[in-house]
Amino acid sequence: SQQGEEDPQALSIQEGENATMNCSYKTSINNLQWYRQNSGRGLVHLILIRSNEREKHSGRLRVTLDTSKKSSSLLITASRAADTASYFCATFARGSNYKLTFGKGTLLTVNP
Amino acid sequence: DAGITQSPRHKVTETGTPVTLRCHQTENHRYMYWYRQDPGHGLRLIHYSYGVKDTDKGEVSDGYSVSRSKTEDFLLTLESATSSQTSVYFCAISTSVGRSYNEQFFGPGTRLTVL
Repeated sequence: SQQGEEDPQALSIQEGENATMNCSYKTSINNLQWYRQNSGRGLVHLILIRSNEREKHSGRLRVTLDTSKKSSSLLITASRAADTASYFCATFARGSNYKLTFGKGTLLTVNP
Repeated sequence: DAGITQSPRHKVTETGTPVTLRCHQTENHRYMYWYRQDPGHGLRLIHYSYGVKDTDKGEVSDGYSVSRSKTEDFLLTLESATSSQTSVYFCAISTSVGRSYNEQFFGPGTRLTVL
């Protein structure tokens, strides 16, 4: 079963705007990760946030984690057309034997 | 790309034929994974391996088997392909060691069509 569920399923914005995607999950986690997938390619790891962290930054990416609500958000600031991709959250649950569970993804389209 | 290759990259086969997909890594990572990706389902784990000859099932393992006789190679076999196994298959490795649960690195994918 899917552990993470992203919201929205699709998001269309203009270049320069910020994009926010949300992820909800069901069980206790060790960490939560965000991945990007360009059309026809494999997934690429973006950022990892551990269960004892609340916020993390990497370049134009900002990730928050609220373990009490079992949710995370990914913010991409000053978006570019090259950010157009699908974004997936994935969780490492305690006792999962090094397995990740992925959500279904958010398709982000950044219009030039 | 953490030195991960998949072969073949594209394959068209007929129902009932056996198919083997290969994942090869060059960095001796212990953990390897096979996923399938389908519209509306995201990425689902088929099987994974935590060492040579050590494998276990994921959430969608029916109809698939795996083997890992060498650290660098993880094979996924469809014993008798069905149309429901038409999908894009991704291999991944994890750099996790001990209690460090790290990110995964993905191969480029194999697009399999079963007619």
